[in-house]
Amino acid sequence: AQSVTQLGSHVSVSEGALVLLRCNYSSSVPPYLFWYVQYPNQGLQLLLKYTSAATLVKGINGFEAEFKKSETSFHLTKPSAHMSDAAEYFCAVSEPRGSQGNLIFGKGTKLSVKP
Amino acid sequence: ETGVTQTPRHLVMGMTNKKSLKCEQHLGHNAMYWYKQSAKKPLELMFVYSLEERVENNSVPSRFSPECPNSSHLFLHLHTLQPEDSALYLCASSQGGLAVNEQFFGPGTRLTVL
Repeated sequence: AQSVTQLGSHVSVSEGALVLLRCNYSSSVPPYLFWYVQYPNQGLQLLLKYTSAATLVKGINGFEAEFKKSETSFHLTKPSAHMSDAAEYFCAVSEPRGSQGNLIFGKGTKLSVKP
Repeated sequence: ETGVTQTPRHLVMGMTNKKSLKCEQHLGHNAMYWYKQSAKKPLELMFVYSLEERVENNSVPSRFSPECPNSSHLFLHLHTLQPEDSALYLCASSQGGLAVNEQFFGPGTRLTVL
C-alpha cells in the first residue's frame, strides 16, 4: 500500500534562507509524486510533479524537488525563502496503474518565514 | 469563472439539517473528486467520479451522498451530520482520472456542524 510521510509538521526559516521540506514515500511500483501548496483559505495548488522523466523537477515560484529512488524520498527545496512562501505544503503519491489517479497525501508541513 | 469553483464557501448547519455542497469545474476534465480536510490529518479521499460514474467510495458514511449529473458538476448532499464532520471539503478535477495528471482543486467549503 502506498503511503507518504512528511517529517516535521512545522518548519520555520528566515527570509532568504534555504527551504527544505522532507517527503518520504512507500510504493510497490515506481510512483508519480506531487507537491502541492495551500495558502490560507484556499484550495491546493500544484507546485511540481515527478512522472519518471528527469529526477530533478523544477516547479513554480522557484521550488524544485529531487526524486531519489534509493532513499524513497522526494524532498522539496527552494534556495531563498520569501515571505510569500508561508503556506502549508503537501506531498502526494500516486501509482501509475489501476488507481484511477487517486492521490495519497501526507499530513502536510506548515512553513513559516521570519523577516 | 475559471478553474474549479465551490459554493458555498462557508456553511454552518445543525445535526438535523439537510444541505448540499456544489462544485463546478471549467477545465473540460472528466474526473472529479471530493476530499475531506480535517486539522492534523491527511486529506481523505471520499469519492471519485470518472465519466460521471462513481468509481470509488472510501468507506464514507451514508450521511454523505454524492451526485455527479454531468462531467462539469459535482454535489455532496449532507444530512444528519455529526460535529466530527466539521472540516474543509475540497473538490478537485483531473483529465482522464489518470495517475499522471495532476488534480486541480477548488477553494473548499468550510463546514461547521453544531
